[in-house]
Amino acid sequence: QVQLVQSGAEVKKPGASVKVSCKASGYTFTSYGISWVRQAPGQGLEWMGWISTYNVNTNYAQKLQGRVTMTTDTSTSTAYMELRSLRSYDTAVYYCARDLGVRGYPLDYWGQGTLVTVSS
Amino acid sequence: DIQMTQSPSSLSASVGDRVTITCRASQSISSYLNWYQQKPGKAPKLLIYAASSLQSGVPSRFSGSGSGTDFTLTISSLQPEDFATYYCQQSYSPLYTFGQGTKLEIK
Repeated sequence: QVQLVQSGAEVKKPGASVKVSCKASGYTFTSYGISWVRQAPGQGLEWMGWISTYNVNTNYAQKLQGRVTMTTDTSTSTAYMELRSLRSYDTAVYYCARDLGVRGYPLDYWGQGTLVTVSS
Repeated sequence: DIQMTQSPSSLSASVGDRVTITCRASQSISSYLNWYQQKPGKAPKLLIYAASSLQSGVPSRFSGSGSGTDFTLTISSLQPEDFATYYCQQSYSPLYTFGQGTKLEIK
């Protein structure tokens, strides 16, 4: 069965960076991209960006351009999301989701989420 | 970016009720609209894709309709496990956007 398993919770100081991992299993990793979505406490879902696991093309949300980098390691079927220059408003649960990257395709499987807390 | 607006933001209903949630896009997105259910502390779960296609394993009391800019999610007969927050999401643009969510609460 398709599974996306994310790394554990992180606590970071303002200005630091965080790197969250998402290990995929149960399907051919390079056949689907990965989207990242975050959710601040008590708030809605915010799409952060997408990466192709086939050719590492990326699309990032404009508000995160320059602060976010998404990468993949096909040898371990793992996707990574790094966010730099953390601020308190980056405190959120970060999710990865499987995403074919074709117009209309939904986010059909999700990781369990990783809580990132930014606090001095 | 394409803006997605859901209404209502919250809704109280009883078990057995028929419930409809609306999602409006700021421009036409054809039928590239997906619906998710999220329960507290859990990841979102895909319910409906391409506006009206039921994801495998999702009960048939859930249905979706619409095209262009106006879409609806309907739950025909609410069950206790349906009380959750629902989000729409457009996948027309490669820069995805979500609605703000509709919290469905027990009356």
